[in-house]
Amino acid sequence: DVKVTQSSRYLVKRTGEKVFLECVQDMDHENMFWYRQDPGLGLRLIYFSYDVKMKEKGDIPEGYSVSREKKERFSLILESASTNQTSMYLCASSPHMEANEQYFGPGTRLTVT
Amino acid sequence: DAKTTQPPSMDCAEGRAANLPCNHSTISGNEYVYWYRQIHSQGPQYIIHGLKNNETNEMASLIITEDRKSSTLILPHATLRDTAVYYCIGRGSSASKIIFGSGTRLSIRP
Repeated sequence: DVKVTQSSRYLVKRTGEKVFLECVQDMDHENMFWYRQDPGLGLRLIYFSYDVKMKEKGDIPEGYSVSREKKERFSLILESASTNQTSMYLCASSPHMEANEQYFGPGTRLTVT
Repeated sequence: DAKTTQPPSMDCAEGRAANLPCNHSTISGNEYVYWYRQIHSQGPQYIIHGLKNNETNEMASLIITEDRKSSTLILPHATLRDTAVYYCIGRGSSASKIIFGSGTRLSIRP
């Protein structure tokens, strides 16, 4: 079974803090994704990566950065957390760009106070 | 991605087949039909996808009409654990992001 794990299920941070969300997949997938999910807005793509050290902006990259130093790990960084970044963050991976099934982690519910 | 239309909610008796419809009349020839589901407080889960032919895996069956304007996801023996929001998505093979619509909230009755 494909397994995508995220470092925390729940996280509470203060405004202005630097926040790291970690995602690890164990299936040697090439592509990894970070989304956020908010009520009424659905799933929105923040960043994705199709190879180690490669990254592409999604629809809402502002206020976020990412790091992919190893194939299995994709990190989302909030440089200076703000209350409007309170959300459910979902990481996903897929085998390669032509295989479109994406496998999601359990999600991290981040609250910024 | 193709626009898809799904009923907002459905219910099904436990042990019966759950048939979830999806209309995708604007789907183009190279766009696949994907189904995901999201159980409350969990990440979305990939179920199945297809292009033209019907598909079956250990989770479900996907029936696509010959004109590809609609499809049906079939859960052959629904259980309480199948209670979730089910999303039908039409997308090309090289698309990166997934765009989830409103989906169908499936409730399973004991």
